[in-house]
Amino acid sequence: QITLKESGPTLVKPTQTLTLTCTFSGFSLSTSGVGVGWIRQPPGKALEWLALIYWDDDKRYSPSLKSRLTITKDTSKNQVVLTMTNMDPVDTATYYCAHLLGRGAFDIWGQGTMVTVSS
Amino acid sequence: EIVMTQSPATLSVSPGERATLSCRASQSVSSNLAWYQQKPGQAPRLLIYGASTRATGIPARFSGSGSGTEFTLTISSLQSEDFAVYYCQQYNNWITFGQGTRLEIK
Repeated sequence: QITLKESGPTLVKPTQTLTLTCTFSGFSLSTSGVGVGWIRQPPGKALEWLALIYWDDDKRYSPSLKSRLTITKDTSKNQVVLTMTNMDPVDTATYYCAHLLGRGAFDIWGQGTMVTVSS
Repeated sequence: EIVMTQSPATLSVSPGERATLSCRASQSVSSNLAWYQQKPGQAPRLLIYGASTRATGIPARFSGSGSGTEFTLTISSLQSEDFAVYYCQQYNNWITFGQGTRLEIK
């Protein structure tokens, strides 16, 4: 059974860097074809894809946020870490990590973690 | 960036009736299209991928069709648990989501 869980701060100040961790079980990020993605959702708004990392350490980023994002993996810990720099109140959202099915559908999602950006 | 446009924004349907949700891509995404259901306070749930393949455990009343730029999600006979927000997502060129369709009880 695949599960994922996000963790990180619930409140960050403007201009700070956000670091979120996705801890997963039921699969390995060293297995060919496996990937994990991050998606966010501002309150009452639509989903927005942020980043993807694959088993071979290939990384993909949303073009609009690429300069602010870094995604890494720790295969031994079954974790994926997302950092986002220069946080702004518009970045207030629930951040989800999810298991990638095939080319780009997300079949299993974490419960999400709400991050508020405020001074 | 490929823009995904969903219509209508809100759809009111009675239980037991059929619901048809639309999703249009600003350029062809082939069949690289997924549909998700999201209920309040919950993470999205994958319904359909590859435009028409039901995900594991998804009831047969959910079906997807289309290719290229025009896609449809059909729920054949609405159950009470189907009233939610539905998102389409393309993964042909990076990843983008639509703005969602809220399916509400009529």
